[in-house]
Amino acid sequence: RKEVEQDPGPFNVPEGATVAFNCTYSNSASQSFFWYRQDCRKEPKLLMSVYSSGNEDGRFTAQLNRASQYISLLIRDSKLSDSATYLCVVDRGSTLGRLYFGRGTQLTVWP
Amino acid sequence: DGGITQSPKYLFRKEGQNVTLSCEQNLNHDAMYWYRQDPGQGLRLIYYSQIVNDFQKGDIAEGYSVSREKKESFPLTVTSAQKNPTAFYLCASIAGEADTQYFGPGTRLTVL
Repeated sequence: RKEVEQDPGPFNVPEGATVAFNCTYSNSASQSFFWYRQDCRKEPKLLMSVYSSGNEDGRFTAQLNRASQYISLLIRDSKLSDSATYLCVVDRGSTLGRLYFGRGTQLTVWP
Repeated sequence: DGGITQSPKYLFRKEGQNVTLSCEQNLNHDAMYWYRQDPGQGLRLIYYSQIVNDFQKGDIAEGYSVSREKKESFPLTVTSAQKNPTAFYLCASIAGEADTQYFGPGTRLTVL
């Protein structure tokens, strides 16, 4: 079983749509969770950290369910500029900064 | 501006040649990491270093070597022993107790 699993998509949605991405992780000792965004042929950039209580940043909402080892990202009112690959990232539960990266979920927002 | 720089952006290499990828950061970060990314794949950890003069193998270290002589620099050498080196190479760093990694712009290596 992979450490982090994501639906690779692609997700193709119209502008203004709401889209949700899911991710599961296998290491119950993991403590830190993130969503990164990666544009085509660019480096990943931190979108948001994910906290146990859930957190929101504008149109983006992240949720964590530790019991199910499940993370989600909700994007409301999608914009063309949201088109990218979204990476689910989980720490390894041991050495500081060692992370597992999911393969990413590709999103295309069309006008 | 603080950040992580990688050079070159594109690199072409003939089979059998070693090549060194540069990674420099002026963020005063302690830990640095090297990943490779293949199309449709997640990032895979090659090597990491938490302090100067110390580094550890990641998940796919075979065919690679690193050094960490200065806090700011963490070069990666792709040796001829690496069977399939064509990939996108990303360097990242992290500060102190935080877990958030910041990435450089990457080097795209192609073996001809």
